[in-house]
Amino acid sequence: VQLVQSGAEVKKPGESLKISCKGSGYSFTTYWIGWVRQMPGKGLEWLGIIYPGDSDTRYSPSFQGQVTISADKSISTAYLQWSSLKASDTAMYYCVRSGGQLVGHFDLWGRGTLVTVSS
Amino acid sequence: NFMLTQPHSVSESPGKTVTISCTRSSGSIASNFVQWYQQRPGSAPTTVIYEDNQRPSGVPDRFSGSIDSSSNSASLTISGLKTEDEADYYCQSYDSNNRVFGEGTKLTVL
Repeated sequence: VQLVQSGAEVKKPGESLKISCKGSGYSFTTYWIGWVRQMPGKGLEWLGIIYPGDSDTRYSPSFQGQVTISADKSISTAYLQWSSLKASDTAMYYCVRSGGQLVGHFDLWGRGTLVTVSS
Repeated sequence: NFMLTQPHSVSESPGKTVTISCTRSSGSIASNFVQWYQQRPGSAPTTVIYEDNQRPSGVPDRFSGSIDSSSNSASLTISGLKTEDEADYYCQSYDSNNRVFGEGTKLTVL
């Protein structure tokens, strides 16, 4: 049972990016997959969550409109994407599994994808 | 939106007991479950307490969680401290709209 995230990315401001999180060893469509940001030296922030079974999605009010969360259940993969990156998007991004949209702890974590945005 | 306030850092000696608090700014702490995550340097977080006071399998019973409605706060208590407990600890809860993390507490075991 694991979440495998895509590798580190280095991008320039204004570029787009889509990172991935592939679930294995469990029924991908019956758990929620969320995303958590950790800026360098800072704490954890919840971005949003998706239910791959029907793509029901909820965003943190702080991140609504800033990122897009999607999933492709046919390949057990969830995504986090940006249309125009900013330097302030530089962070580690973790995907997490949960039994609920808002209720339920994050019982499984990916290793994280480091995104660096620099000119 | 509500906030969860934690002490920035705590320190204690091996073998002792430490308690980390997490105070909810609005809404009742008892209305929505609280989770606690441990993050060791360079690693992803893991759950040490969920649903206020439940331990995932594999987490030693030295870790316990509680809720105090009078102070509208949750607490994580670690007894018999070991050097391996040195880490950042985050509380997390939710309301009808959002999941929120506390700012994190750095535990030093010296």
